[in-house]
Amino acid sequence: KAGVTQTPRYLIKTRGQQVTLSCSPISGHRSVSWYQQTPGQGLQFLFEYFSETQRNKGNFPGRFSGRQFSNSRSEMNVSTLELGDSALYLCASSLLGSMDNEQFFGPGTRLTVL
Amino acid sequence: AQSVTQLGSHVSVSEGALVLLRCNYSSSVPPYLFWYVQYPNQGLQLLLKYTTGATLVKGINGFEAEFKKSETSFHLTKPSAHMSDAAEYFCAVSDLPGGYNKLIFGAGTRLAVHP
Repeated sequence: KAGVTQTPRYLIKTRGQQVTLSCSPISGHRSVSWYQQTPGQGLQFLFEYFSETQRNKGNFPGRFSGRQFSNSRSEMNVSTLELGDSALYLCASSLLGSMDNEQFFGPGTRLTVL
Repeated sequence: AQSVTQLGSHVSVSEGALVLLRCNYSSSVPPYLFWYVQYPNQGLQLLLKYTTGATLVKGINGFEAEFKKSETSFHLTKPSAHMSDAAEYFCAVSDLPGGYNKLIFGAGTRLAVHP
């Protein structure tokens, strides 16, 4: 069974640009969560989608947005990039989105903002 | 609000020695607790989790953790370290109630294993 895949793996952008990251969950999984990982702030929750609905959102500005498609694939978008957005962005999928279900993490997309 | 504190950002042990990584949590409701491991340039892998029931939880790769409610702790141990255990370890608590799948992570502990 294929794991969680994230594309692209590496991305370099300049300030002010926007970026879209993609996450394909494990087949059959309906919940996708996104996390930002930085050396200074650690791992922080961005948002979670279940059956195309955002169920939970972290404490990030409105420049960060996401969506989930009917096949459970998810994208996140960051507009008007800032230097501080440089991070590893991880997505995780789980079967039904409850705490009893294990969350499987992808390898991440490393975003560098210049 | 839920929170996690990992004591020691860096831990160094000799191969074959006991591994002890400390985690304390704060939660207003009975917590779900997790330990994840991250190898360089990879995502997170679940080592073990505590939901309800037995307080001593066994995970993969010989790791285990004990939930101690009175101490609000969930320390991770392994009797004998291997070189392959060198990685970063994260303790996490579920954001309950109502947080669905949201995890709140500690700052992480980088484990180094020396020959």
